[in-house]
Amino acid sequence: EPEVTQTPSHQVTQMGQEVILRCVPISNHLYFYWYRQILGQKVEFLVSFYNNEISEKSEIFDDQFSVERPDGSNFTLKIRSTKLEDSAMYFCASSERSGGYTGELFFGEGSRLTVL
Amino acid sequence: GNSVTQMEGPVTLSEEAFLTINCTYTATGYPSLFWYVQYPGEGLQLLLKATKADDKGSNKGFEATYRKETTSFHLEKGSVQVSDSAVYFCALTQPQGGSEKLVFGKGTKLTVNP
Repeated sequence: EPEVTQTPSHQVTQMGQEVILRCVPISNHLYFYWYRQILGQKVEFLVSFYNNEISEKSEIFDDQFSVERPDGSNFTLKIRSTKLEDSAMYFCASSERSGGYTGELFFGEGSRLTVL
Repeated sequence: GNSVTQMEGPVTLSEEAFLTINCTYTATGYPSLFWYVQYPGEGLQLLLKATKADDKGSNKGFEATYRKETTSFHLEKGSVQVSDSAVYFCALTQPQGGSEKLVFGKGTKLTVNP
């Protein structure tokens, strides 16, 4: 069964360092997303991406965040200068149609980011 | 803004017990409602959904009914199994608004003991 894969599963970094989290969405999907979950808190929407551009982003997704689809298969989230409060589990997701219409997103296992 | 509140966990049950996980929502208009499940070591998976009032979503023995009058979407299962041990997330989205995003609750961890 097709699945969304994420790497790395866990990354530890120093405050101020750049981090890139990678995702391979399901191959025929057109919509891509990043969510995050700070320990003990809700899963929060960060950004959605369609047709090579951001279609929606939350207030969390400020200038230190960026997303890219550098080739036909990868979807990356870059955090330019990490802060302690960026420590969280980051989930990538993809869907065939707009998630706003079906809610059927396919999620990866998550990448745990720890900022020291 | 839109929000989802679900019961605090963790919930621990014995096999074959009845499960209820409460979920209420706040939203303008007519959201679609979902339950996602995360089994240990895996990503979130859609468990069931309902897109309009009085719809019942069901899958793998789980059910939830969209109750507009009480703004609720409680998850139920008549007889849980050890394999149901997971974290359950209630979520909503609002297709009419054109929004892409799912709004999640905090998640409820369920442990089922043999």
